[in-house]
Amino acid sequence: QSVLTQPPSVSGAPGQRVTISCTGSSFNIGAGYDVHWYQQLPGTAPKLLMYGNSNRPSGVPDRFSGSKSGTSASLAITGLQAEDEADYYCQTYDISLNGFWVFGGGTKLTVL
Amino acid sequence: EVQLLESGGGLVQPGGSLRLSCAASGFTLSSYAMTWVRQAPGKGLEWVSTISGSGVNTNYADSVKGRFTLSRDNSKKTLYLQMNSLRPEDTAVYHCAKDLTSLPSGAFDIWGQGTMVTVSS
Repeated sequence: QSVLTQPPSVSGAPGQRVTISCTGSSFNIGAGYDVHWYQQLPGTAPKLLMYGNSNRPSGVPDRFSGSKSGTSASLAITGLQAEDEADYYCQTYDISLNGFWVFGGGTKLTVL
Repeated sequence: EVQLLESGGGLVQPGGSLRLSCAASGFTLSSYAMTWVRQAPGKGLEWVSTISGSGVNTNYADSVKGRFTLSRDNSKKTLYLQMNSLRPEDTAVYHCAKDLTSLPSGAFDIWGQGTMVTVSS
């Protein structure tokens, strides 16, 4: 069980907006550590989607946005497209005995 | 082109050893912290280990501490993960990943395609 909690799945129709939550604790997100997000398409390596809570690497569409508040973070995707169907993971630093960098359990996004 | 290429995976019996390699190209390896992340079949991502750019500092997940050793040879542009006392629960695809910045940020901007490690008798 991960120290970062994500919903196992979310879904939306093309063109819609979806959000994926990432809930942590005072040992990680709540301690002020940055949250990063990754997108993993089927059969491929993860891709950095968002870093430092809300920064998009070059090449990532502005349909993707990130935010952080308190002990949680969120990834929002607007104008949903079929190619967005993938697994999404949040990640941050944890100062508890559990570890160094920690990932959320992942969220499967289905585009209906 | 910035690229990471892992090798060394395979089938090994419980208690056995493997050494994974990660060859870097297109960037100066010594300038970045590097990390191994694994993904068991059908499961999520799990951080395994991180090494500083100089190689002086290493960190390990509790699940591998004392069994895995991460090292780097910047002159050969290669990262190594020595895995001993392997257990069935170590079965996974192992990815090496480059940190986005020269300081360990935890944001991994370049990933290798991974190498599969299967621990089974």
